[in-house]
Amino acid sequence: ETGVTQSPTHLIKTRGQQVTLRCSSQSGHNTVSWYQQALGQGPQFIFQYYREEENGRGNFPPRFSGLQFPNYSSELNVNALELDDSALYLCASSFGQGKYGYTFGSGTRLTVV
Amino acid sequence: AQSVTQLGSHVSVSEGALVLLRCNYSSSVPPYLFWYVQYPNQGLQLLLKYTTGATLVKGINGFEAEFKKSETSFHLTKPSAHMSDAAEYFCAVNPGAGSYQLTFGKGTKLSVIP
Repeated sequence: ETGVTQSPTHLIKTRGQQVTLRCSSQSGHNTVSWYQQALGQGPQFIFQYYREEENGRGNFPPRFSGLQFPNYSSELNVNALELDDSALYLCASSFGQGKYGYTFGSGTRLTVV
Repeated sequence: AQSVTQLGSHVSVSEGALVLLRCNYSSSVPPYLFWYVQYPNQGLQLLLKYTTGATLVKGINGFEAEFKKSETSFHLTKPSAHMSDAAEYFCAVNPGAGSYQLTFGKGTKLSVIP
């Protein structure tokens, strides 16, 4: 079975721009979550999608938004990028809303300059 | 709200020595608990998890952890460290009860000295 794949692996954006990160969930998984991991910190929960609907959100502003598609892949969109948005963004998938844990992708390293 | 405290941001052990990484949590309901490992420039890999049942949980690569409700702890151990164990380790809690997001600790970087 394939794991969780994320694209791109790295990108550099300018402050004020918009960015879209993509995630393909593991086969058989219907739940996707996104996490932000700043340098030297643990991952912070952004939001979760289950059956194409957002069903949980962390302490992140509305300029962080997402989508889940019928094939359970997902996008994370960030508008009006700020320097503090520079981080590793991790996508994680699970079956049944993550009760028994998530499978994480390798992440997208976003640098905002 | 739940929280996770990992004691020691950096732990060094000699190759062959016991590995002990500490994790304490707070949660208003019986939680699900996880340990993840992260190698440089990679995502998180699940080491082990506690959901219900036996409180001593065995994971991959010889790691195990014991859920102690009275101490609100879930410490990770391995009897004999190997060089390949050098990585960052994260403890995480999922409170269940309809909320399935993971709350992570700040991580403990494990160094293994030859």
